[in-house]
Amino acid sequence: AQSVAQPEDQVNVAEGNPLTVKCTYSVSGNPYLFWYVQYPNRGLQFLLKYITGDNLVKGSYGFEAEFNKSQTSFHLKKPSALVSDSALYFCAVRAPANQAGTALIFGKGTTLSVSS
Amino acid sequence: EAGVAQSPRYKIIEKRQSVAFWCNPISGHATLYWYQQILGQGPKLLIQFQNNGVVDDSQLPKDRFSAERLKGVDSTLKIQPAKLEDSAVYLCASSYGPEQYFGPGTRLTVT
Repeated sequence: AQSVAQPEDQVNVAEGNPLTVKCTYSVSGNPYLFWYVQYPNRGLQFLLKYITGDNLVKGSYGFEAEFNKSQTSFHLKKPSALVSDSALYFCAVRAPANQAGTALIFGKGTTLSVSS
Repeated sequence: EAGVAQSPRYKIIEKRQSVAFWCNPISGHATLYWYQQILGQGPKLLIQFQNNGVVDDSQLPKDRFSAERLKGVDSTLKIQPAKLEDSAVYLCASSYGPEQYFGPGTRLTVT
């Protein structure tokens, strides 16, 4: 069965410092991996995805993520955090394209708090 | 490009009442999803449509939930009768490629 784990409920960083939000996954075959961000009373916004290719993927708002197949991880990173990055972040996985269902399996979310 | 539209944004009902949510996906997106997001959890799939056909409804509580996507565009999700545990945000998403685009959601409170 597919699953996603976000081991930290909350991550606190100071503005200007680098940030990392952790994600590990379990899926058979080659995974499709995603990061979404959710602001209060708003839907999820797509940040970035890994399908194949370079293990370091770049996304919106200066975020990037590193795919590590041996550690089954897909950690979200940003070199310099902004107060406006404070939000709820979700990691998600879906089965490879050869399977009929393409729904996302989400982690429970990690709240990022950036202090000024 | 217009995003995924959902209505209403908020709904409060009493248990055993019925409720319906509407979703209009991004133009040209053949795949449409309904997710349920309970407070403190990640979204969980209820049903997936490809055009107007159901691809996956294995997690839909079919004794009380129903959904349709007539003409392969708009979709409606209905709950009848509602239970207290149905209080959640109901998210609609659509996709053309691998990434899904989400609407703002409908926050349902069942009292």
